[in-house]
Amino acid sequence: DADVTQTPRNRITKTGKRIMLECSQTKGHDRMYWYRQDPGLGLRLIYYSFDVKDINKGEISDGYSVSRQAQAKFSLSLESAIPNQTALYFCATSDSMLAGGPKTQYFGPGTRLLVL
Amino acid sequence: QKEVEQDPGPLSVPEGAIVSLNCTYSNSAFQYFMWYRQYSRKGPELLMYTYSSGNKEDGRFTAQVDKSSKYISLFIRDSQPSDSATYLCGTLKTSYDKVIFGPGTSLSVIP
Repeated sequence: DADVTQTPRNRITKTGKRIMLECSQTKGHDRMYWYRQDPGLGLRLIYYSFDVKDINKGEISDGYSVSRQAQAKFSLSLESAIPNQTALYFCATSDSMLAGGPKTQYFGPGTRLLVL
Repeated sequence: QKEVEQDPGPLSVPEGAIVSLNCTYSNSAFQYFMWYRQYSRKGPELLMYTYSSGNKEDGRFTAQVDKSSKYISLFIRDSQPSDSATYLCGTLKTSYDKVIFGPGTSLSVIP
């Protein structure tokens, strides 16, 4: 089974709709992240959470909100979807307790979102 | 200016060629330098990382960092069609930081 799972894998929605993307991990990591990926722009950080009680905005948080329901679950919401939020969304995790070296991020398989 | 810049490609090479992928960064405080590989319709996965300047080799892959010129390179020897993917460079100031990613370079290795 995958360590980082995302649901749904694909979603088509209409402008103005509220949508939630969910992420679950079995790695036991404390840190979780949400990114969006657009052609030519790479991965841009939306929100990140260093533990259940810690939520931080990334570089492009406007129009998004998150909830860290448990150490293993981190969901991303688009309160009122707009077409320029059409993108590939990735959840990632990392372990701050890992000794030495950078805290490697492990990515989920991604959610393709199309906002019409 | 973006903190990490990378030529998006696409880069197309014949099988067996040596591939050079490059990034530049703007912040001299960055200490860790990472390369992620992303296959089509998959999430990125860590390929290798280096700390500060120097080289690191892992099989056919060599990562090189020149902090004086703020330049990061990934070399792939004897490239294979299975190396076809997007390669993203990433940097961090400390081991506890968030990764700052470049936009990625798309590589195709033609049999």
